[in-house]
Amino acid sequence: NAGVTQTPKFRILKIGQSMTLQCTQDMNHNYMYWYRQDPGMGLKLIYYSVGAGITDKGEVPNGYNVSRSTTEDFPLRLELAAPSQTSVYFCASSTTQIGEAFFGQGTRLTVV
Amino acid sequence: AQSVTQPDIHITVSEGASLELRCNYSYGATPYLFWYVQSPGQGLQLLLKYFSGDTLVQGIKGFEAEFKRSQSSFNLRKPSVHWSDAAEYFCAVGSSNDYKLSFGAGTTVTVRA
Repeated sequence: NAGVTQTPKFRILKIGQSMTLQCTQDMNHNYMYWYRQDPGMGLKLIYYSVGAGITDKGEVPNGYNVSRSTTEDFPLRLELAAPSQTSVYFCASSTTQIGEAFFGQGTRLTVV
Repeated sequence: AQSVTQPDIHITVSEGASLELRCNYSYGATPYLFWYVQSPGQGLQLLLKYFSGDTLVQGIKGFEAEFKRSQSSFNLRKPSVHWSDAAEYFCAVGSSNDYKLSFGAGTTVTVRA
């Protein structure tokens, strides 16, 4: 029962570097989401997807990009890392837009 | 735009005592409401949800929540907390015409022996 799997769990980046946060779900969910969690701020939606080939911006998309070539995978790309992107990133999926969202265990990213 | 307020940043409760976490939402139509729990170093897990019908909903781990439209609230309760309930709790609101869940800032619960 893998559910939503995120890799890596931890990463330290230098300013200006790029990286991709991986997210895979094995529940055949159409809806997938990327959130960032900052202390005292709750979760903010970065990008979401309603199916393969369809993505859209959330509340805080600047500095990030996504793609959705398959139902299972929804990677998040940081092109030029900045200290403001230091955060914990969560990927989630759901069967419908108002259904229960299943979350991965998160990726803790530090940009120095 | 929908929004969620959790007025309590941190609550400390004794093991065996009751717990109530407050959540107020702002949304023009009938909201879909959720409570999630996050244990340290883990992702979020759904405790319960309200879409329609009975305003008192039961969830996992002995939690319940009551939807009060007149107060725009969806407070979470547990009659007797266990040490394992120490975690961060998030209230969230969504709608049928929006793909996004809006989360509150969270309430951290500490359980003392």
